[in-house]
Amino acid sequence: GAVVSQHPSRVICKSGTSVKIECRSLDFQATTMFWYRQFPKQSLMLMATSNEGSKATYEQGVEKDKFLINHASLTLSTLTVTSAHPEDSSFYICSATPGNTEAFFGQGTRLTVV
Amino acid sequence: SQELEQSPQSLIVQEGKNLTINCTSSKTLYGLYWYKQKYGEGLIFLMMLQKGGEEKSHEKITAKLDEKKQQSSLHITASQPSHAGIYLCGADIIDYNQGGKLIFGQGTELSVKP
Repeated sequence: GAVVSQHPSRVICKSGTSVKIECRSLDFQATTMFWYRQFPKQSLMLMATSNEGSKATYEQGVEKDKFLINHASLTLSTLTVTSAHPEDSSFYICSATPGNTEAFFGQGTRLTVV
Repeated sequence: SQELEQSPQSLIVQEGKNLTINCTSSKTLYGLYWYKQKYGEGLIFLMMLQKGGEEKSHEKITAKLDEKKQQSSLHITASQPSHAGIYLCGADIIDYNQGGKLIFGQGTELSVKP
């Protein structure tokens, strides 16, 4: 099946700093990618839709200035958590689809803000 | 509000036993996806169901979507320790083949005792 790669898998950062997470579709082009957040023992919550060449679409309650999304190419979307705080600590995961098929998910990124 | 209700939330079974996980929505599901996740890792795609009454099987796992397309079940036959993990149902509730913009159930944590 299609492969979506996410990097880094784990990151620890200091409060107030910014962290960038990358999501790459390795063997297909994706005009749209999706970013999810998962708290411990909870389900995935959609944060935003990343659109290649245009602005991301954010779900209600998600701060766009806090979570900057850039989709500069058909194979790469990045999520930057700006001025991170401990409450931003979570598991972030992206997905993409080659077309009208199931979504393929990255391995996820465990962010810990200390 | 949670639009996909998954039950049970956790399940412990003896190796060799059968089990069923349910996923219910108050809205029509245009696409229903089952994923498996090891805690803190990415999602592994299991099956996708789109048509009312559809049933798919892969190895010892069978998924069904009811005729009304509001309920799905995942059945594991003769469970093995390798089946342990978190099972998530995800769904498109807006359009066909959103291909990734999904809502998810709360997940079912399955443990299989040897």
